Amino acid sequence: NAGVTQTPKFRVLKTGQSMTLLCAQDMNHEYMYWYRQDPGMGLRLIHYSVGEGTTAKGEVPDGYNVSRLKKQNFLLGLESAAPSQTSVYFCASSHGNRNSPLHFGNGTRLTVT
Amino acid sequence: DQQVKQNSPSLSVQEGRISILNCDYTNSMFDYFLWYKKYPAEGPTFLISISSIKDKNEDGRFTVFLNKSAKHLSLHIVPSQPGDSAVYFCAAKAGGGNKLTFGTGTQLKVEL
Repeated sequence: NAGVTQTPKFRVLKTGQSMTLLCAQDMNHEYMYWYRQDPGMGLRLIHYSVGEGTTAKGEVPDGYNVSRLKKQNFLLGLESAAPSQTSVYFCASSHGNRNSPLHFGNGTRLTVT
Repeated sequence: DQQVKQNSPSLSVQEGRISILNCDYTNSMFDYFLWYKKYPAEGPTFLISISSIKDKNEDGRFTVFLNKSAKHLSLHIVPSQPGDSAVYFCAAKAGGGNKLTFGTGTQLKVEL
């Protein structure tokens, strides 16, 4: 039982390049989330999904796109990376009931030069 | 606009003593609060939570207190252990959704 797995763990991009961050969960969770963590900012919600085929914007969605084609996977895309997107990205998942806690992956450290 | 605030970026405590981590919030619609613990190079892990209908919740060495009138919550760790050294995030949510708003975190160091 791996929980939440994020791929890759590290990545360096040049400004303007694109990439996709992969998130997979094996807990049959309905909800999935993408957060970014920056120094002094805590974790901020980028996008989330309440079920397969659905996505919604979070607090800081600009410059990112997401897809949830399968229940277990949640993809985060950067179409044209910018230095402001240098951050640590965390994927999380949770059950659909109201107060179930989020389970996080171990993060992807992205640097955009 | 930071709706969940952790005003102490760091805290140092001796092993065996009490650690008290504080969190303030501004959004009166928040009705469920959680604490997460994060070690370096790992994701946050859920620690303890409290609903707004309660003022205290306890789980082993960890107790969370909620003061709704002051919009303040605190996490008490007694006794503190070196393995408790981590970053602690306070988080809150409102209504029926599952979106969490996080604070900026407090780095706890428990010294021998």
